[in-house]
Amino acid sequence: QQQVRQSPQSLTVWEGGTTVLTCSYEDSTFNYFPWYQQFPGEGPALLISILSVSDKKEDGRFTTFFNKREKKLSLHIIDSQPGDSATYFCAASASSGSWQLIFGSGTQLTVMP
Amino acid sequence: NAGVIQTPRHKVTGKGQEATLWCEPISGHSAVFWYRQTIVQGLEFLTYFRNQAPIDDSGMPKERFSAQMPNQSHSTLKIQSTQPQDSAVYLCASSTAPYEQYFGPGTRLTVL
Repeated sequence: QQQVRQSPQSLTVWEGGTTVLTCSYEDSTFNYFPWYQQFPGEGPALLISILSVSDKKEDGRFTTFFNKREKKLSLHIIDSQPGDSATYFCAASASSGSWQLIFGSGTQLTVMP
Repeated sequence: NAGVIQTPRHKVTGKGQEATLWCEPISGHSAVFWYRQTIVQGLEFLTYFRNQAPIDDSGMPKERFSAQMPNQSHSTLKIQSTQPQDSAVYLCASSTAPYEQYFGPGTRLTVL
């Protein structure tokens, strides 16, 4: 079954700390893995993404890692800020088939000042 | 560049009424997607169009739901005979390629 598992469900970190979110998937045809950030009342915003040909992508304080052998990916946020408090979703799709995104269940992140 | 535009932002309907949701994709984007978000089910794919043609509607409920894309500047999602379980945030996204889908703010549908 196409499924993306995400953990933890919720996470609280202190300002300045490092946040780590993880996802796993089953479908070997998945080759594109975006992370979305969603604030209440807004749509998901594309944060960072990675293709299966890469194992790491960095954008400022946000880095995503991809492990093809283990079918796992993670999002690391360094120097976490209260403004990072949001719900984060990982997702996956296969460019060779339907372009639909399969989403994880989300992680609600709270960064305490 | 304006992002994806969705109207209305909020819609309240009575049980059995029809609801039509509108989406204007980012100019130049060839693919338009519809998703539904609820607390229980999370983010679920409904359907998508590429160059205005329906490509995949595997997530659409077989009855009462339909989507169209009459031109490259807008798509509609229509729900006939709305039921309380249809209450959700309906999200539209657009992209130029298999990657980087950009979402609109969503339409919150409440069925009383």
